[in-house]
Amino acid sequence: DAGVIQSPRHEVTEMGQEVTLRCKPISGHDYLFWYRQTMMRGLELLIYFNNNVPIDDSGMPEDRFSAKMPNASFSTLKIQPSEPRDSAVYFCASSSQGVGADTQYFGPGTRLTVL
Amino acid sequence: GQNIDQPTEMTATEGAIVQINCTYQTSGFNGLFWYQQHAGEAPTFLSYNVLDGLEEKGRFSSFLSRSKGYSYLLLKELQMKDSASYLCAASSGGSYIPTFGRGTSLIVHP
Repeated sequence: DAGVIQSPRHEVTEMGQEVTLRCKPISGHDYLFWYRQTMMRGLELLIYFNNNVPIDDSGMPEDRFSAKMPNASFSTLKIQPSEPRDSAVYFCASSSQGVGADTQYFGPGTRLTVL
Repeated sequence: GQNIDQPTEMTATEGAIVQINCTYQTSGFNGLFWYQQHAGEAPTFLSYNVLDGLEEKGRFSSFLSRSKGYSYLLLKELQMKDSASYLCAASSGGSYIPTFGRGTSLIVHP
């Protein structure tokens, strides 16, 4: 299995621009998670989906952030407009059988820098 | 709310044993995860404890005390490649969503 795939691996953009991060979960996994990691705040859960449906988006910091999962093999996290404080590593993870009972497999992450 | 505490940094010698502690305060606690994260890489799963006691997996063991809100990760026969950040995460509530600590950076030196 190819594992969780994320693109791009690195993104540098200017403040105010729209940023779209992409994720392909492991085939057969029915849970998908978006995390953000910074030195100051550590690893934070932003949102998670079950069977393509958003279940909990309470971790999404602001309305500038949105996430979609149009099908079982693809999800996007969009930031519009982006701000320098959004600079972080964004991880996508997937799992099966529910969060507490199974391992979450993380993608390699997207390192976002907003200038 | 939830609170996860673990030391920021630890150092140890190759071949030695190190214990990384984690304390948590959370309502509706379900279980405790440990993840390993090498610099510039994604976290990888190490263990998940639900019941009190020690669970061993090769050189790594994880302990949980639910009554004390306490867990530790024990690494034996340390190797240089064990230098990494170790993340403690507590899951709680019906959705079992894990809340992560800031991580403990372990430096193994010769």
